[in-house]
Amino acid sequence: RKEVEQDPGPFNVPEGATVAFNCTYSNSASQSFFWYRQDCRKEPKLLMSVYSSGNEDGRFTAQLNRASQYISLLIRDSKLSDSATYLCVVNSGAGSYQLTFGKGTKLSVIP
Amino acid sequence: GAVVSQHPSRVICKSGTSVKIECRSLDFQATTMFWYRQFPKKSLMLMATSNEGSKATYEQGVEKDKFLINHASLTLSTLTVTSAHPEDSSFYICSARDVQASYNSPLHFGNGTRLTVT
Repeated sequence: RKEVEQDPGPFNVPEGATVAFNCTYSNSASQSFFWYRQDCRKEPKLLMSVYSSGNEDGRFTAQLNRASQYISLLIRDSKLSDSATYLCVVNSGAGSYQLTFGKGTKLSVIP
Repeated sequence: GAVVSQHPSRVICKSGTSVKIECRSLDFQATTMFWYRQFPKKSLMLMATSNEGSKATYEQGVEKDKFLINHASLTLSTLTVTSAHPEDSSFYICSARDVQASYNSPLHFGNGTRLTVT
């Protein structure tokens, strides 16, 4: 089983749509969770950390379900600039600084 | 915000030559830096963990004699790809952890180096 699994997509959505990405992780000891976005041929950039209680940053909402080892990202009112690959990232265990990346989910927002 | 500078951003070299990639933390100290490699349409794969003042820790399957890592100061780690081959062509990215940050803080990434070996 892959350590961090994501639907690769692509998700092609119209501007203004709401889109949700899911991610599952296999290491039950993981404690830190993040969503990064990566533009084509660029480095990953932090989108948001994911907290147990769920958190929101503008149009972006992240949720964590530890029991199911599942993370989600919801994007509301999609913009053209949201087009990118979204990476689910999980640390390797309690107190670990090492991160494991999912392959990413590609999003294309269409005019 | 924290900035990690990686240089060069792009390099083309001939097969058999060596290439050095630098990763610098510009406004924080980093006792630990990570080197990743990403092939097209694949996820980032951790190659090694670079520790200031000590030997790097390599992931399984990564040749330590081929990918030389030096972390001589709290702000600089280098990755040298020795005797490069076309299959080493990839996107190499470093990330750094602020020595004052907790383990659940996100890492800061360099802008990556695209290596092409001809």
